[in-house]
Amino acid sequence: DVKVTQSSRYLVKRTGEKVFLECVQDMDHENMFWYRQDPGLGLRLIYFSYDVKMKEKGDIPEGYSVSREKKERFSLILESASTNQTSMYLCASTMVGAYNEQFFGPGTRLTVL
Amino acid sequence: GQQLNQSPQSMFIQEGEDVSMNCTSSSIFNTWLWYKQDPGEGPVLLIALYKAGELTSNGRLTAQFGITRKDSFLNISASIPSDVGIYFCAGHGGGSGGGADGLTFGKGTHLIIQP
Repeated sequence: DVKVTQSSRYLVKRTGEKVFLECVQDMDHENMFWYRQDPGLGLRLIYFSYDVKMKEKGDIPEGYSVSREKKERFSLILESASTNQTSMYLCASTMVGAYNEQFFGPGTRLTVL
Repeated sequence: GQQLNQSPQSMFIQEGEDVSMNCTSSSIFNTWLWYKQDPGEGPVLLIALYKAGELTSNGRLTAQFGITRKDSFLNISASIPSDVGIYFCAGHGGGSGGGADGLTFGKGTHLIIQP
């Protein structure tokens, strides 16, 4: 079975802090995605990556950046956290050519105070 | 990005009842997917639909890809307590959905089952 893991289940940070959310998948998947999930808004795509060192903006990239230095790891970075970035963050991965069957990690619930 | 309208927003049903939920879009999709999310977990794929008109089952779950490619429904028969959770539809392809190759998600249907 595909395993997608996220470094923290819960995280509390202060406004202005730099925040790193880590995601690792163990199935040699090429594509990785970061979403945020908010009540009443569903899941919204922040960034995705097709390959190492490659990244593409999703629907809501503002305030975020990403890093993909190794195939199995995709990091989401909040350069200066703000309270409106309090959310559930979900990482997903797929094989190349199978962008639709995304496997999700358990999520990181981030609270920015 | 594209919007998916998922309904109902929530459902309160008795154990054993059948459940039906649907998603509609103003644009076409090439793939429709249905996910379930349990509290504190990430979404898990239930059913993937690849062809207009396709009807697919997974145990007590049945989903259909609408002929117009703009809608899909999910049915759950004889609901049981472990069916509780949030169900999401998602579409892929067919336009500018989901930021190029991401998925466009509906806002979810929250299923609550009363024993």
